[in-house]
Amino acid sequence: QVQLQESGPGLVKPSQTLSLTCTVSGGSISSGSYYWSWIRQPAGKGLEWIGRIFTSGTTNYNPSLKSRVTISVDTSKNQFSLKLSSVTAADTAVYYCVGAVAGTVLYWGQGTLVTVSS
Amino acid sequence: EIVMTQSPATLSVSPGERATLSCRASQSVSSNLAWYQQKPGQTPRLLISGASTRATGIPARFSGSGSGTEFTLTISSLQSEDFAVYYCQQYNNWPGTFGQGTKLEIK
Repeated sequence: QVQLQESGPGLVKPSQTLSLTCTVSGGSISSGSYYWSWIRQPAGKGLEWIGRIFTSGTTNYNPSLKSRVTISVDTSKNQFSLKLSSVTAADTAVYYCVGAVAGTVLYWGQGTLVTVSS
Repeated sequence: EIVMTQSPATLSVSPGERATLSCRASQSVSSNLAWYQQKPGQTPRLLISGASTRATGIPARFSGSGSGTEFTLTISSLQSEDFAVYYCQQYNNWPGTFGQGTKLEIK
């Protein structure tokens, strides 16, 4: 069973860069079937897909965040990462790393709350 | 970006009764529509993909229908564990987008 676990700071100052890492266990991140993504959920609100990375290294980002987002993968560590620059309070949310196939999310990390505040 | 609109925002139903949740897309998504269930403090769980195909381990009381822009999730006889928030998600276009959710509560 594939499991995902997010790690990173829970508090980020405005204008700084949010950095999170997701460690994948129970399977190889290089499996051709999946792609790896970040999804966020502000408190009491819906889910927003931030971006995805394929095992080839190809990335796609949500146009609303594209100028600020970078997703990368480290296959040697079975990890993928998110960087979101120039954060504001609007970026406060629970951030999930997920594994998806054919557009649907099969595996979710437990989620990590990131608060943007000085 | 395709906007997904779910209705109603909150649905109150008694255990044992049928619940019908709706999801509308701002443009056609064909059958590329998924439903998820999220309970408080838990991560979402995939229920339905391809508009009508139940995910592994999902009980038969959950069924999905629709195509194009109009979709429905039906829970035929509500069990206590079914009271949760339900999200629809289109994956026809990138980025996949979610509805705002329908909270299914006990009447």
